[in-house]
Amino acid sequence: GAVVSQHPSWVICKSGTSVKIECRSLDFQATTMFWYRQFPKQSLMLMATSNEGSKATYEQGVEKDKFLINHASLTLSTLTVTSAHPEDSSFYICSASKGVTGTGAKNIQYFGAGTRLSVL
Amino acid sequence: KNEVEQSPQNLTAQEGEFITINCSYSVGISALHWLQQHPGGGIVSLFMLSSGKKKHGRLIATINIQEKHSSLHITASHPRDSAVYICAATNFGNEKLTFGTGTRLTIIP
Repeated sequence: GAVVSQHPSWVICKSGTSVKIECRSLDFQATTMFWYRQFPKQSLMLMATSNEGSKATYEQGVEKDKFLINHASLTLSTLTVTSAHPEDSSFYICSASKGVTGTGAKNIQYFGAGTRLSVL
Repeated sequence: KNEVEQSPQNLTAQEGEFITINCSYSVGISALHWLQQHPGGGIVSLFMLSSGKKKHGRLIATINIQEKHSSLHITASHPRDSAVYICAATNFGNEKLTFGTGTRLTIIP
């Protein structure tokens, strides 16, 4: 299988602090990683697409200076919520894609378990 | 932009019932995904399909490309199937997913 580990699963922080969330592909190399945000009872919303070694591509309306994404290797991407405020409280989920494989399987995204962020 | 719609939004059924969740999309896609999100929030990818039908255990996913419609079926439903089921479409040319709003399924023992 393909396992994506996301850490931490739950974090509470004070307003103004920064929080880092890690997303690791444990048994495969992820050509692309995605970061999503989900508010209660709403669908997932893509925040940014991250490719190893290059700058992340942010979706419209997502502040790149507030949500810093680093994709340092083919197995690790991090999302840092800088100067967090209560309105940043949400459920953040990452996913990782193997891209196109030799068998033609493509675009399968493997999801992490998510991080619930509460900013006080 | 692709619009992905799911129905029903909420579904409650008795254990053992046959379940169908529907998904329609507005623009041609390269693949349609069915995801399962449990109460804790974690997401599992159930199926990715671009044509025909796929089966895994008690789960069956079908897609009709001409009608831009997909269904997820659960046979012999069980309380542990209770979750939110989300369909998502991948457009041609990129890996981005466009998500439906999800169907909250509750199976009563």
